[in-house]
Amino acid sequence: DAKTTQPNSMESNEEEPVHLPCNHSTISGTDYIHWYRQLPSQGPEYVIHGLTSNVNNRMASLAIAEDRKSSTLILHRATLRDAAVYYCILRPHNNAGNMLTFGGGTRLMVKP
Amino acid sequence: KAGVTQTPRYLIKTRGQQVTLSCSPISGHRSVSWYQQTPGQGLQFLFEYFSETQRNKGNFPGRFSGRQFSNSRSEMNVSTLELGDSALYLCASSPALTGGNYGYTFGSGTRLTVV
Repeated sequence: DAKTTQPNSMESNEEEPVHLPCNHSTISGTDYIHWYRQLPSQGPEYVIHGLTSNVNNRMASLAIAEDRKSSTLILHRATLRDAAVYYCILRPHNNAGNMLTFGGGTRLMVKP
Repeated sequence: KAGVTQTPRYLIKTRGQQVTLSCSPISGHRSVSWYQQTPGQGLQFLFEYFSETQRNKGNFPGRFSGRQFSNSRSEMNVSTLELGDSALYLCASSPALTGGNYGYTFGSGTRLTVV
């Protein structure tokens, strides 16, 4: 599976936007970009995914670079409940399986 | 609708024993995957089932096994437990097997402690 690179940790102030970067320079044309987050003492939670175009949902926005070698997860107004580890994962569309390859993720700390 | 349900939430076992963990996927989801999470290794894929058949397996010893029933519920079994098997075991369900255009729903996990 193609690899992703994320910063180990980031800090944000409450009610400010947060931009979480992810580099995936070896992405292939059929790889979807998925984001999950894991709050303390919980299983990972699906956040958003996309292929080429920017995507929005009630939780976040996903901005994908034109060459698809990087993407950014945007939390428009961080809350204390957004403090979690955020994982950027590439999922091949043609893969005959659901295996997710997790990296270390980015630990987001939100300050009140 | 109900989420992914894992039972039990917590478990303490002794080295050498075996353990069975259970996962009920979201209604209508036919794919169930299992993951192990430890502080040292992070989240690692164990195996995946679809239509009662194992479709993928991660790099774990044969002591780790699983199965899926006709109602899509899944169990995983670990035999001859070792201290290093202490971990959070997570189950994830998905509506389909193939394709990257699906999100996956995780349960809260079973925390296994081997003493």
